[in-house]
Amino acid sequence: DTAVSQTPKYLVTQMGNDKSIKCEQNLGHDTMYWYKQDSKKFLKIMFSYNNKELIINETVPNRFSPKSPDKAHLNLHINSLELGDSAVYFCASSQDRGGTNYGYTFGSGTRLTVV
Amino acid sequence: AQSVTQLDSHVSVSEGTPVLLRCNYSSSYSPSLFWYVQHPNKGLQLLLKYTSAATLVKGINGFEAEFKKSETSFHLTKPSAHMSDAAEYFCVVSDRNGYNKLIFGAGTRLAVHP
Repeated sequence: DTAVSQTPKYLVTQMGNDKSIKCEQNLGHDTMYWYKQDSKKFLKIMFSYNNKELIINETVPNRFSPKSPDKAHLNLHINSLELGDSAVYFCASSQDRGGTNYGYTFGSGTRLTVV
Repeated sequence: AQSVTQLDSHVSVSEGTPVLLRCNYSSSYSPSLFWYVQHPNKGLQLLLKYTSAATLVKGINGFEAEFKKSETSFHLTKPSAHMSDAAEYFCVVSDRNGYNKLIFGAGTRLAVHP
């Protein structure tokens, strides 16, 4: 029973296309996140939602739009994909806001390749 | 601003020898600190965490870390490396400014040789 599940695991698409990544957690956590891991393994936060409310929106292009239909789901939609969007995208959730007491539980990641 | 610096991008050890992965942090208040591990093509798994309780923290798979405030360090150690320990390790600090989040170090790749 996967705690944080992301789909798809791999995504290969052409420049200019629109794609979505889905994330679901069954841990009962209120807070969810999207992180981007670049080719050098550097992890940077993109968005954070707390109980369906957007609380962190880092400097991410407007082409990226998160959506949280309920507190167990956080999806990421990307418009007009560019080569530089190629990365691994991780979804995570936390028991406390910001994960400062318990850390995050991560999904297994979505490897996006834009060609 | 809070930050973490992982002092080595790559560490190579022989199986059965000790592991030391170094991490220094910068924080304007008492931080929470974590170590995560990422095996190839996998997600990130929490190894251990420090949240202002005991300064020596034990984690999974025989790893431990010691919080040293005077040195602003949180180094990760293991007495004896196993081949399965080969992975990327991330030191992480909490950021309580504004909206809380975790800030990741650049990672240390640990290679274990037979």
